[in-house]
Amino acid sequence: NAGVTQTPKFRILKIGQSMTLQCTQDMNHNYMYWYRQDPGMGLKLIYYSVGAGITDKGEVPNGYNVSRSTTEDFPLRLELAAPSQTSVYFCASSYSTLADRSYNEQFFGPGTRLTVL
Amino acid sequence: RKEVEQDPGPFNVPEGATVAFNCTYSNSASQSFFWYRQDCRKEPKLLMSVYSSGNEDGRFTAQLNRASQYISLLIRDSKLSDSATYLCVVNIGGGADGLTFGKGTHLIIQP
Repeated sequence: NAGVTQTPKFRILKIGQSMTLQCTQDMNHNYMYWYRQDPGMGLKLIYYSVGAGITDKGEVPNGYNVSRSTTEDFPLRLELAAPSQTSVYFCASSYSTLADRSYNEQFFGPGTRLTVL
Repeated sequence: RKEVEQDPGPFNVPEGATVAFNCTYSNSASQSFFWYRQDCRKEPKLLMSVYSSGNEDGRFTAQLNRASQYISLLIRDSKLSDSATYLCVVNIGGGADGLTFGKGTHLIIQP
């Protein structure tokens, strides 16, 4: 199993450009997440999905969009890049059931380092 | 009060020593607790879950104190390879957005 994969690893954007960060998992996990991590800060949840066709906002969703058309893929879209979106973006997945939603061990991808100039 | 608080360090510790750090959480309804390890410029990886009765995995011991709302991580016989940032993670439960990450404690093991 490759686990969680993310592309690209690095990207530099100009203000106002758009891009999609790709995330794929091959563990058949139902839950998927996007986080951003700024230097010296904890991970902040941007969006999450509990299954194909279902997405919800996390703590910092502004400026981002997601979709979940398949179990495996959870792309993150930046429409109008701003310098404040310079960060490291991590995608994660987990398997949770209604009976055990609180456990929630998450597996992370290697991250995408994004710089907006 | 912040939801999950950790001393950012860095903790500079000689190889072979024992080191411990705590993490406090504010939500008394928190249901599950974890320590993740994050190496420089890498993704977080689960180190261990923290159970109510405390648990041990080799040189690592995790404990939970619900009354005082903190969890701890003890590392014995520290190795150079233990140098990393240790993230405290708390799940208040109820849904996929329940995980809250601390900012991490930076540990440096010195030869």
